[in-house]
Amino acid sequence: AQKITQTQPGMFVQEKEAVTLDCTYDTSDQSYGLFWYKQPSSGEMIFLIYQGSYDEQNATEGRYSLNFQKARKSANLVISASQLGDSAMYFCAMRGPITGNQFYFGTGTSLTVIP
Amino acid sequence: DTAVSQTPKYLVTQMGNDKSIKCEQNLGHDTMYWYKQDSKKFLKIMFSYNNKELIINETVPNRFSPKSPDKAHLNLHINSLELGDSAVYFCASSQRSRPETQYFGPGTRLLVL
Repeated sequence: AQKITQTQPGMFVQEKEAVTLDCTYDTSDQSYGLFWYKQPSSGEMIFLIYQGSYDEQNATEGRYSLNFQKARKSANLVISASQLGDSAMYFCAMRGPITGNQFYFGTGTSLTVIP
Repeated sequence: DTAVSQTPKYLVTQMGNDKSIKCEQNLGHDTMYWYKQDSKKFLKIMFSYNNKELIINETVPNRFSPKSPDKAHLNLHINSLELGDSAVYFCASSQRSRPETQYFGPGTRLLVL
């Protein structure tokens, strides 16, 4: 069975500091995809970053990077230089197998950036 | 321009009623999805449609039925609404070749009284 676990229901970070949001996953598939979404208070879901299980380099998109540790089955999101606008819910998700259309979402982490 | 739009944004209705939520995307995507987000923010995929073919049905009650008149639309029809159906419903779309990059609509907040 596929499973995504986000153990941090809430996180606080000082503005301009970096923060890591944890995500672990469980899958028996050899190929899969991991991604992160942001949901601000307005409610829409915003795609942030994607990592394929066979990608050798950790994915980066601007201030977002994904710390992918395959052996540990973790896909943590790192946000550098936090901004007030980063305050939101963050969801880790997995697509598995990579050619399929099954998506599994974690329960989310609420991030609050403190001025 | 709105990429993925949903109507209505808010929906308050009585138990037992039948309601529909509409979704439209203007991105030229060939796959559309419906998600349910409960009060604890847990997001669960309900359906996806590709070229008018249902790909996923994640143990959703058959009171829920997706209807896709064309590639740009995926409507969600709910029969005999129950209290537990209260949630936020998100529509999303993607290219079939890149389902990891989904674009979500603003959500429809459904409250069943």
